Amino acid sequence: SAVISQKPSRDICQRGTSLTIQCQVDSQVTMMFWYRQQPGQSLTLIATANQGSEATYESGFVIDKFPISRPNLTFSTLTVSNMSPEDSSIYLCSVTGTGGLYEQYFGPGTRLTVT
Amino acid sequence: EDQVTQSPEALRLQEGESSSLNCSYTVSGLRGLFWYRQDPGKGPEFLFTLYSAGEEKEKERLKATLTKKESFLHITAPKPEDSATYLCAVPTTDSWGKLQFGAGTQVVVTP
Repeated sequence: SAVISQKPSRDICQRGTSLTIQCQVDSQVTMMFWYRQQPGQSLTLIATANQGSEATYESGFVIDKFPISRPNLTFSTLTVSNMSPEDSSIYLCSVTGTGGLYEQYFGPGTRLTVT
Repeated sequence: EDQVTQSPEALRLQEGESSSLNCSYTVSGLRGLFWYRQDPGKGPEFLFTLYSAGEEKEKERLKATLTKKESFLHITAPKPEDSATYLCAVPTTDSWGKLQFGAGTQVVVTP
């Protein structure tokens, strides 16, 4: 499976600011996804990062709050904009694997705390 | 609506005490069921994919099985290093690539 890295691994930010999270994969992948995991909760899909076109957002998530870039097949960024304490979560990127059409493999996550 | 329910929420085991975790799902046209292991503060680690009822997969002390309505993750003679949260997930029918996750079962294995 692909090796996925994320930067930063963690950050503490002030409310009202923005943070950009990077996701780098060691091989070209078709599908990349961004998830959020709030404290004590399971994972929720934010959006699908599409290469060469706008991201596809899930219900409850909007581009103004979570802009996403996907400039090539190995890299994506997620920005958390105008942060509030409710944005404190672990943010995870994932990619589809080669073993099965719907299998997803996750990066190590970015732990964000907003004060 | 696609739903995934895991039970129990938490499980405390003595080392060597085997047990099973349950994942029940309601989704039309199952396109796979995935099990993940998640350690605190880390991303989920992929364990298994199951595609059809009757299928079984094994990895060390873990064995996953699938029926038409649920999946079980059996932990045989667990060790403290098996302590983690175990998540199951299914692809949803309304959005390609979207995984619907269960809430997870937190497993603690004590020596």
